[in-house]
Amino acid sequence: DAMVIQNPRYQVTQFGKPVTLSCSQTLNHNVMYWYQQKSSQAPKLLFHYYDKDFNNEADTPDNFQSRRPNTSFCFLDIRSPGLGDAAMYLCATSRDRHPNQPQHFGDGTRLSIL
Amino acid sequence: TQLLEQSPQFLSIQEGENLTVYCNSSSVFSSLQWYRQEPGEGPVLLVTVVTGGEVKKLKRLTFQFGDARKDSSLHITAAQPGDTGLYLCAGGRDGGTSYGKLTFGQGTILTVHP
Repeated sequence: DAMVIQNPRYQVTQFGKPVTLSCSQTLNHNVMYWYQQKSSQAPKLLFHYYDKDFNNEADTPDNFQSRRPNTSFCFLDIRSPGLGDAAMYLCATSRDRHPNQPQHFGDGTRLSIL
Repeated sequence: TQLLEQSPQFLSIQEGENLTVYCNSSSVFSSLQWYRQEPGEGPVLLVTVVTGGEVKKLKRLTFQFGDARKDSSLHITAAQPGDTGLYLCAGGRDGGTSYGKLTFGQGTILTVHP
């Protein structure tokens, strides 16, 4: 089945040690999103790609970076994770940016910081 | 900032009871999407409503979009333990800085006890 796959499902890293989370999609969607979600709260958008066009949210810390080398893959890099970055990270895709388009979410990567 | 106020934040009910979750805003949305998220998984789309006054039914779930497209509700009839989860409303806007992004409500954590 076409889907959004996130790896790994669980990631443990040390304080300050860079970490990369990955997302792949078989939907051939143009838009890919990265969200941060803490303890049953609403997802918070970090940034999104429309094709190769990167769109950062104004309040996303510089510590968070992203790469989209091709349509299918997108990566979230956290350069120096702090304790406050422990969260579930969700990747989502959308066919385009039309407001009626649904977003398709992966099952997330739960990041823990030691 | 276009806010979506979702209420209640927590709902704990017995199996067989009815419930309603509300999403309200002072802004007009082009669409209102409802997602359900279970622990350890990503949100899954339940429904998208796009027309003012629209009502959609999904088995025991009834979704309504307000006439002015500023509010929406989710009504569950005869709730079952399998309905337990985090319910998220999300609004999409056509144009402006929010184009291509969803504005999420705060979420409603529903627990249905057997």
